[in-house]
Amino acid sequence: KAGVTQTPRYLIKTRGQQVTLSCSPISGHRSVSWYQQTPGQGLQFLFEYFSETQRNKGNFPGRFSGRQFSNSRSEMNVSTLELGDSALYLCASSTGLAGANEQFFGPGTRLTVL
Amino acid sequence: AQSVTQLGSHVSVSEGALVLLRCNYSSSVPPYLFWYVQYPNQGLQLLLKYTSAATLVKGINGFEAEFKKSETSFHLTKPSAHMSDAAEYFCAVSDPGNKLVFGAGTILRVKS
Repeated sequence: KAGVTQTPRYLIKTRGQQVTLSCSPISGHRSVSWYQQTPGQGLQFLFEYFSETQRNKGNFPGRFSGRQFSNSRSEMNVSTLELGDSALYLCASSTGLAGANEQFFGPGTRLTVL
Repeated sequence: AQSVTQLGSHVSVSEGALVLLRCNYSSSVPPYLFWYVQYPNQGLQLLLKYTSAATLVKGINGFEAEFKKSETSFHLTKPSAHMSDAAEYFCAVSDPGNKLVFGAGTILRVKS
């Protein structure tokens, strides 16, 4: 089975722009979660989607949004980028809800905001 | 809210020595607990998971962890470190809303 794929792997944007990141989960997985990883804040939960519905949301501003499609692929969008949004964004998929099931992580998208 | 504390942001051991990575969680009810490992420039990989079936959980690559409710701990151990174990290790706990909360991570260095 193919693993979790994330595109693009690297991205450079400037402040004020917006960005869309994509995640393709493992076939058959219905849950997709997104995390932000930074040296200062560590791994922080952004949101989780299960069968196209947002099931959980972390403590991030409304500039961060996401969605899930009927094929379980997910996208996250960050609008009005700030320098502090520079991070590794990880996507993870699981068969059931993330809190109770093994999550399979993608390699991440490295976002740099200049 | 759930929280996870990993004692020691960096741990250094010699090859062949015992690996002990500490994790304490805050929870009033037995939670789901996880250990994940992250190698450089990669995503996280599950090492093991506690789901209340057994207090001693065996994972991949020779790692195991023991759930101690009285100490609210879930420390990760491996009897003999290998160079390939050098990585960053994350303890995580799920909260009642099923969100996963990660610890700050511990970077394991293995000396030859």
